[in-house]
Amino acid sequence: GQNIDQPTEMTATEGAIVQINCTYQTSGFNGLFWYQQHAGEAPTFLSYNVLDGLEEKGRFSSFLSRSKGYSYLLLKELQMKDSASYLCAVVDSNYQLIWGAGTKLIIKP
Amino acid sequence: TAGITQAPTSQILAAGRSMTLRCTQDMRHNAMYWYRQDLGLGLRLIHYSNTAGTTGKGEVPDGYSVSRANTDDFPLTLASAVPSQTSVYFCASSSLSSGGGNEQFFGPGTRLTVL
Repeated sequence: GQNIDQPTEMTATEGAIVQINCTYQTSGFNGLFWYQQHAGEAPTFLSYNVLDGLEEKGRFSSFLSRSKGYSYLLLKELQMKDSASYLCAVVDSNYQLIWGAGTKLIIKP
Repeated sequence: TAGITQAPTSQILAAGRSMTLRCTQDMRHNAMYWYRQDLGLGLRLIHYSNTAGTTGKGEVPDGYSVSRANTDDFPLTLASAVPSQTSVYFCASSSLSSGGGNEQFFGPGTRLTVL
């Protein structure tokens, strides 16, 4: 079967750094996405990794290790507006997205 | 540019009734998708269409049907709604090209309650 695992909820402090992990077991791999979803809103694209390594984009970075079936999203200099759910999704062998349940990130002042 | 629009925003539906959720995109994307999102579960693919005139079944297609008469519109129909179809429904679209890095753009969602 196909499986994407993420922590259900995390709490962090404004101004700090947080790492959200994602492990996956899928039939094939054609890349991994991270999306952000604020409560009551649609998911929006954050990052895409297909090769091993770190991709940096402003305060957000995403890392991929294909051999370990592992990715993380790193958020630096946390702001209150970063309170949201973060969704990990893997592109499988049929080029369909397999979604994790998401990690709800709570930012405290 | 509107991107992707969905209608209605929310709906309460009696069990056994039919309903069509509408989705329209203006980005000329060839691929479109319908997902449902339930608490504690990831987005689950209901149906998809890689190009106008073709559709395919996703992970949870039972009880739903779709059509893709043109590039822009991708309606989702519930023929006879049941309470387990209570969910938030998202329509998405993407351009299809070689490789898997085609970002999906999402509509604002339709919150459906079946009583």
